[in-house]
Amino acid sequence: IVLTQSPGTLSLSPGERATLSCRASQSVSSSYLAWYQKKPGQAPRLLIYGASNRATGIPDRFSGGGSGTDFTLTISRLEPEDSAVYYCHQYGSSAPWTFGQGTKVEI
Amino acid sequence: EVQLVESGGDLIQPGGSLRLSCAVSGLTATTNYMSWVRQAPGKGLEWVSVRYNGGKTYYADSVKGRFTISTDSSTNTLLLQMSSLRVEDTAVYYCVRGGGNYYAGYFDYWGQGILVTVSS
Repeated sequence: IVLTQSPGTLSLSPGERATLSCRASQSVSSSYLAWYQKKPGQAPRLLIYGASNRATGIPDRFSGGGSGTDFTLTISRLEPEDSAVYYCHQYGSSAPWTFGQGTKVEI
Repeated sequence: EVQLVESGGDLIQPGGSLRLSCAVSGLTATTNYMSWVRQAPGKGLEWVSVRYNGGKTYYADSVKGRFTISTDSSTNTLLLQMSSLRVEDTAVYYCVRGGGNYYAGYFDYWGQGILVTVSS
């Protein structure tokens, strides 16, 4: 399954809302879709799993939604520390499991 | 607290071999689904391999036949044996808990990553 993320880059101001899109080339079984945050020099951090479930310790500013082939990650009130690249990942198919190419959020 | 600590990264010539290790604490590598994920310089994330808790393994097409994932239960370590290395294998390799096409197939615990550089 190929995941296509858009936009490539999102430039916003603190306090604004960010909406990131992840589109799959075929339906993602059981909404097995996750989102990760990746900052330079750091390991990726799991934000969302099962399309809409926040991982432990993730602020409620982060929310996920969607099903089938269209998924979104929303950051409701951007903070400077949210500057990062965000990746979606599907684990609903047989191997190989795939990531999107990433969306860079600049604040 | 779960900790995953990779080691073994190096500068290696094309065609060479290298073994990465991931020291696992806070969980048992052999009873979890454990994966390797990599990120080439300036590129996105790429899943490389998974070892299921029953021992079954899967590989990305790009490394199939060249990489082998395994665990050492005596030291609670995840291993990745890499051979016939190519320039395009250059990446930061992450040891990760997770993988598989089931409800918990996401990657929740990550190591800090280790750099493998394949170059002549």
